[in-house]
Formats: sequence, C-alpha cells, structure tokens
Amino acid sequence: GQNIDQPTEMTATEGAIVQINCTYQTSGFNGLFWYQQHAGEAPTFLSYNVLDGLEEKGRFSSFLSRSKGYSYLLLKELQMKDSASYLCAVKDSNYQLIWGAGTKLIIKP
Amino acid sequence: ETGVTQTPRHLVMGMTNKKSLKCEQHLGHNAMYWYKQSAKKPLELMFVYNFKEQTENNSVPSRFSPECPNSSHLFLHLHTLQPEDSALYLCASSQGTEDYSGANVLTFGAGSRLTVL
Repeated sequence: GQNIDQPTEMTATEGAIVQINCTYQTSGFNGLFWYQQHAGEAPTFLSYNVLDGLEEKGRFSSFLSRSKGYSYLLLKELQMKDSASYLCAVKDSNYQLIWGAGTKLIIKP
Repeated sequence: ETGVTQTPRHLVMGMTNKKSLKCEQHLGHNAMYWYKQSAKKPLELMFVYNFKEQTENNSVPSRFSPECPNSSHLFLHLHTLQPEDSALYLCASSQGTEDYSGANVLTFGAGSRLTVL
C-alpha cells in the first residue's frame, strides 16, 4: 500500500528553528508538496519538490531525497502565526496525490 | 470575491435530512475537487471534475452526490447521512487535473464543517 508518515504533533519555541519530517512509500514519484493549514482555514500551498535538494523560500525551506523517500520542511525564526498543521503530499506514478495525516505545530512564547 | 468560497461554513443535519454544500471558484481553473478531512486522518479525495466532467469517484457512498454545472461551481448533495460522515468537507480547484505533470497546485476553500446527528 501507499503511505505517508509524519509526526502527529510538534512543539517549538518562538524564534527557534523546527524541522518537520515526512517519509513516504508510494508507487512511483512525481513530486512532493507541503501545505499549511491554520485551524478553521483552508490549506495553502507552501512548496513543491520534484528534484533532490533544498528549496528555500524566505523563512521556509523544503528538502527532498528521492532515494530515501524522505522530505522535511524547515521553519526558521518561528513566529506565533506559524502555529498550524503542515500537510505533506506525494504525487504517485498515476499523478494521484497521496496525503499524510498532517503535523500539528504548536509555537510557545 | 477571489479564491475558493464554500458555503455553508457549518452544517448540522439529522440522518434523514437532505442538504447541499456549495463551492465557487473565481480563479479560472478547469478542475474542481471534493475532499473529506477527518481529525488526524489524511485527506480523502472524493470526487474530481475536469471541464465539468466527473473524472474520479473514489468509491464514495451514493448518499454523497456531486454536481458540477460549470467550471466555477461545484455542489455536494447530502442525503441520509451517517454519524461517521461528520467531518470537514474541503473543496479545491486547480488549473488541470491530477494527471497534469508539474506542480498543479491546489487552491482550497476553508471547508464546510458537517455534523450528522
């Protein structure tokens, strides 16, 4: 079966750095997505990785290793507004999106 | 309005009721989706429409009935639901369908929170 694993919940301190991991076992790979979802709001697109390496976008970076079936989302200089759920999704060989259950990130002052 | 708008935001219904969820997108996208989001579970794709034609139905029970009158509007008709159908129902749109190679980013609405008593 196809599977995406990510931690259920993480806690970090304002101003710090946090890394949210995502591992996947899918039938084929055609890209990996990260979305952010604040409580009661729509998920919003953060990043897309299809090649190995690190993609940086301001305070957020996303890393991919296809050989290891592994990605992480790195959030720097954490702010209270970064408290949200972070969803990892992989597009498989049929271009279907396989979703993880999401990681709830709690930021403490 | 811009983006993807869903109404109602909250809905409580009995098991014998009939109700509908509405989704509207103002992005000029060609594909629209219904997802079910339950607590601590991955998003479940329910239906996909591309250019108003249904291209995906992921073994969804017939008590959920989608309707897509045009590329901008999507409905989910609900009847004789079960308590386990209580969840957040998310609508999304994208430029193309999921078999479009490339990023094909989804734009989501804020969802309709459904409670079935």
